[in-house]
Amino acid sequence: EIVLTQSPDTLSLSPGERAALSCRASQSVSSSYLAWYQQQPGQPPRLLIFGASNRATGIPDKFNGTGSGIDFTLTISGLEPEDFAVYYCQQYASSPYTFGQGTKLEIK
Amino acid sequence: DVQLVESGGGLVQPGGSLRLSCAGTGFNLSRYWMHWVRQGPGKGLEWVSRINGEGNVTTYAGSLKGRLSISRDNTKNTLYLQMFGLKVEDTGVYYCTRGAGGYFYGWGQGTLVTVSS
Repeated sequence: EIVLTQSPDTLSLSPGERAALSCRASQSVSSSYLAWYQQQPGQPPRLLIFGASNRATGIPDKFNGTGSGIDFTLTISGLEPEDFAVYYCQQYASSPYTFGQGTKLEIK
Repeated sequence: DVQLVESGGGLVQPGGSLRLSCAGTGFNLSRYWMHWVRQGPGKGLEWVSRINGEGNVTTYAGSLKGRLSISRDNTKNTLYLQMFGLKVEDTGVYYCTRGAGGYFYGWGQGTLVTVSS
């Protein structure tokens, strides 16, 4: 099973700043089968990025995914109030599919 | 408009059973792998199970294998999750989600399962 570790657990930033969220895998994620989701309180997750760097339909270009192998990053530029949420990475290279524990992005 | 609506959650005693349903509208559910993902109270996301479009290939998370049965009725555009031998740690919100090559695109609002005596 591929274990995903996200860091930091909590990131405190101000609106307008840039966030960098990390996701590290316990083994290489083949073909960059790595996705990112945003979850607001009381809501289901929303797909942001798939294939490590491809934005899902309707996702603004302020969300940028990079990385390969075992290290992946989600960058969010120009933070707006609605961006403060919990973010999860997920690998789908091998079953069982696994998620990271999440990074909470909070307003400083 | 693609929509997934879960139902069937509720309060059940440890050792009990429950069947969750997920009705899809706005798309042909038979064309997609479908998945269940759960989230414990205040916790992260955990993938639970998947089923292919035809309904003849299924996979389960190791920790839950033997206590789950995923199925679908494409004539009703509906996905199911039968859960047996429920434990307190199975408490959480259960989401159905549409698979797209292994990632999840399109989620229901979830149904809450509470396992407690």
